[in-house]
Amino acid sequence: AQSVAQPEDQVNVAEGNPLTVKCTYSVSGNPYLFWYVQYPNRGLQFLLKYITGDNLVKGSYGFEAEFNKSQTSFHLKKPSALVSDSALYFCAVRDTMDSSYKLIFGSGTRLLVRP
Amino acid sequence: SAVISQKPSRDICQRGTSLTIQCQVDSQVTMMFWYRQQPGQSLTLIATANQGSEATYESGFVIDKFPISRPNLTFSTLTVSNMSPEDSSIYLCSVMTSGSRETQYFGPGTRLLVL
Repeated sequence: AQSVAQPEDQVNVAEGNPLTVKCTYSVSGNPYLFWYVQYPNRGLQFLLKYITGDNLVKGSYGFEAEFNKSQTSFHLKKPSALVSDSALYFCAVRDTMDSSYKLIFGSGTRLLVRP
Repeated sequence: SAVISQKPSRDICQRGTSLTIQCQVDSQVTMMFWYRQQPGQSLTLIATANQGSEATYESGFVIDKFPISRPNLTFSTLTVSNMSPEDSSIYLCSVMTSGSRETQYFGPGTRLLVL
């Protein structure tokens, strides 16, 4: 069965410090992996994705993520956090064996960046 | 990407009534999806709505409760029928554009409260 795990409900970092939001996944076939961010009372905004190619992908607002096939992980990172990065982050996976194009979402991680 | 709008942005409804949510896209898209985000929860796919065919529903969701229309390539509606407080959620539509390479872009969501 397809699944996504975000083991941390909340991540706290100080502004200017690096941040990591963890994500692991389980699929039958090859994964397409995504990160989305949700600000209060807003929809989901696409940050970045891994489809194929380089394991390190760069996205919007200085975020990047590294695909690790052996660890089935796709952790989101940023070298220097901003207070404005505080939001709810969702990892999602699509199983290429599934023809429905369905995204399976993790439970979300709340990022709090303190000044 | 695509510009997606949803109406209404929020509503408060009485149990037993129905609400139709509209999703409008600024370009023609083949695939549209409807997701539900229950309070404090992650996103769950309700159904996939492709123009010219019946919507495909995920396990746990049925057409009588969540009828969907897809009259053209830029528009879709989701109706939440015979509502109960358990239907209080954010309902989001998403689209996959032809050039997006598997990325789903989300609308701002409709925040529904059922009393």
